[in-house]
Amino acid sequence: AQSVTQLGSHVSVSEGALVLLRCNYSSSVPPYLFWYVQYPNQGLQLLLKYTTGATLVKGINGFEAEFKKSETSFHLTKPSAHMSDAAEYFCAVRYGGTSYGKLTFGQGTILTVHP
Amino acid sequence: KAGVTQTPRYLIKTRGQQVTLSCSPISGHRSVSWYQQTPGQGLQFLFEYFSETQRNKGNFPGRFSGRQFSNSRSEMNVSTLELGDSALYLCASSSLAGGRSATDTQYFGPGTRLTVL
Repeated sequence: AQSVTQLGSHVSVSEGALVLLRCNYSSSVPPYLFWYVQYPNQGLQLLLKYTTGATLVKGINGFEAEFKKSETSFHLTKPSAHMSDAAEYFCAVRYGGTSYGKLTFGQGTILTVHP
Repeated sequence: KAGVTQTPRYLIKTRGQQVTLSCSPISGHRSVSWYQQTPGQGLQFLFEYFSETQRNKGNFPGRFSGRQFSNSRSEMNVSTLELGDSALYLCASSSLAGGRSATDTQYFGPGTRLTVL
């Protein structure tokens, strides 16, 4: 079964520190990978996605992620955290074939940024 | 371009009632997917509609149903509400240039928060 695991339901960093949010997927075929952010009482906003090509993907707000097939990982990073980055982050996978419209999400990681 | 809109934003219902939620996709988008978000189960896929046809369905009971209209607007219905149906229901639409693709970005609406008492 296809699944997504986000290591750490809560991550706390200081403002200006590195942000690292971990995501691993379980699949026999490479999926398409997405990171979304959700602010309180809002929907999900796409940060970045990997489909094909370059494995290092740059997104909005200074975030980036690297697809590592050998590690089945797609970790999200940002060099310097801002207070405005505090939110919940979701990693998601999507496959072709008959599952075009379905995103499978990880459980989410709540990022707290301390001044 | 206007984003995905969902109405109503908040709903309070009692057990046994039914409810209909509405989603208007981004103009030009033809695929609409629905998700349920709860603290315990996280984000779970309900179903996807494309060209008025259900293309995928998640693992939910038959009380959950949906439809899509010719203008791509979608509705989902939950009958015989249970306490466990309390959740944020999110709708997402995709841009499709000639067909459905797994690389398409899904754009999410703000959600409808349903409370079942």
